Amino acid sequence: DQQVKQNSPSLSVQEGRISILNCDYTNSMFDYFLWYKKYPAEGPTFLISISSIKDKNEDGRFTVFLNKSAKHLSLHIVPSQPGDSAVYFCAANRGGGGKLIFGQGTELSVKP
Amino acid sequence: KAGVTQTPRYLIKTRGQQVTLSCSPISGHRSVSWYQQTPGQGLQFLFEYFSETQRNKGNFPGRFSGRQFSNSRSEMNVSTLELGDSALYLCASMRDRNTEAFFGQGTRLTVV
Repeated sequence: DQQVKQNSPSLSVQEGRISILNCDYTNSMFDYFLWYKKYPAEGPTFLISISSIKDKNEDGRFTVFLNKSAKHLSLHIVPSQPGDSAVYFCAANRGGGGKLIFGQGTELSVKP
Repeated sequence: KAGVTQTPRYLIKTRGQQVTLSCSPISGHRSVSWYQQTPGQGLQFLFEYFSETQRNKGNFPGRFSGRQFSNSRSEMNVSTLELGDSALYLCASMRDRNTEAFFGQGTRLTVV
């Protein structure tokens, strides 16, 4: 049972445009969500997180939106840069501990 | 501030052998979690240790075990290795509940 889903395996955008990565979850008990960026054979790098008591969180070029009623979150990257090209994972957590449930990832390609 | 350190980076083992992987968390982080990444299954949670106690456990067979020491360093052990255990094993540390998890570079285990 895939509790966290990223339905788009890949996304391609032009440099300078907005990248929107989507994530859906099924477990309404999740209360903390995170986005990670990952390169092959390396560990994920934390980007941004959001608690379920919020619906938006911004950090520089990255904004995460949470829609609890739809059980959906999205990561917006504006403006997109070629260095943003990587695999992006969303992850969900219940109760604040160290058990993260990851989506399958979306590979973002930002073209110059 | 040093990040999460995993050793070794690469390992080749033979079926039936056992292996021990090591993880040193960020200073001050008491939670250490382990994940397995494979192409088919994505990032899957193995277990979490907090203050030397296993706090969460994923759905892996008993051949996978771990422990945490008083200095928060953690080890993961896999006994009776199978070909399907070939994967990137990632360790993550957290300072506290509902904070971001920071990942190490991973240990690439190949079972032949």
